[in-house]
Amino acid sequence: NAGVTQTPKFRILKIGQSMTLQCAQDMNHNYMYWYRQDPGMGLKLIYYSVGAGITDKGEVPNGYNVSRSTTEDFPLRLELAAPSQTSVYFCASSRGDRVVEETQYFGPGTRLLVL
Amino acid sequence: GQQVMQIPQYQHVQEGEDFTTYCNSSTTLSNIQWYKQRPGGHPVFLIQLVKSGEVKKQKRLTFQFGEAKKNSSLHITATQTTDVGTYFCAGHRQAGTALIFGKGTTLSVSS
Repeated sequence: NAGVTQTPKFRILKIGQSMTLQCAQDMNHNYMYWYRQDPGMGLKLIYYSVGAGITDKGEVPNGYNVSRSTTEDFPLRLELAAPSQTSVYFCASSRGDRVVEETQYFGPGTRLLVL
Repeated sequence: GQQVMQIPQYQHVQEGEDFTTYCNSSTTLSNIQWYKQRPGGHPVFLIQLVKSGEVKKQKRLTFQFGEAKKNSSLHITATQTTDVGTYFCAGHRQAGTALIFGKGTTLSVSS
């Protein structure tokens, strides 16, 4: 299994541009998550999904959109990039068999720089 | 709101010294998970504690979950350079809620 994969690894955007961060998992996990990690600030949840067609906001959803059309894929969309969105973005997944006691598996991350 | 605090934020030790990071929640947690993130890498799951007062060991790492299920600690005995990284604790407040991460403790080790 490849686990959780993310593309691209690194991207530079100009203010106002849009882009989609791709995330895929091949573990047949029901739950998927998007986090952003700013230096010294830990991980903040942007959006999550408990299954295909179901998404919900996390702690910091403003400026982002997600969709979950399949179990495997969970893309994150930035419509109008702003410097405040410069960060490292991690996608993660978990089995979803039980709501509690879920181990999350993280992708390698996408480093985004907005200038 | 729900917060999970970790201290210290940074810790530097000499190789062979012990290291401890502490995790405190403002409310009771249903579980505690610990993750390690190497520099430039992604968080990797280490362990999960569920029971009040639970203690688990992984080689030189000892994890504890407090009796009140509001705090946890990770202790590394005789640190090695391979222990370098940021250690995050994370917990669920209750079933159906999102995993809340602490800000992490970054450990550096000099030989």
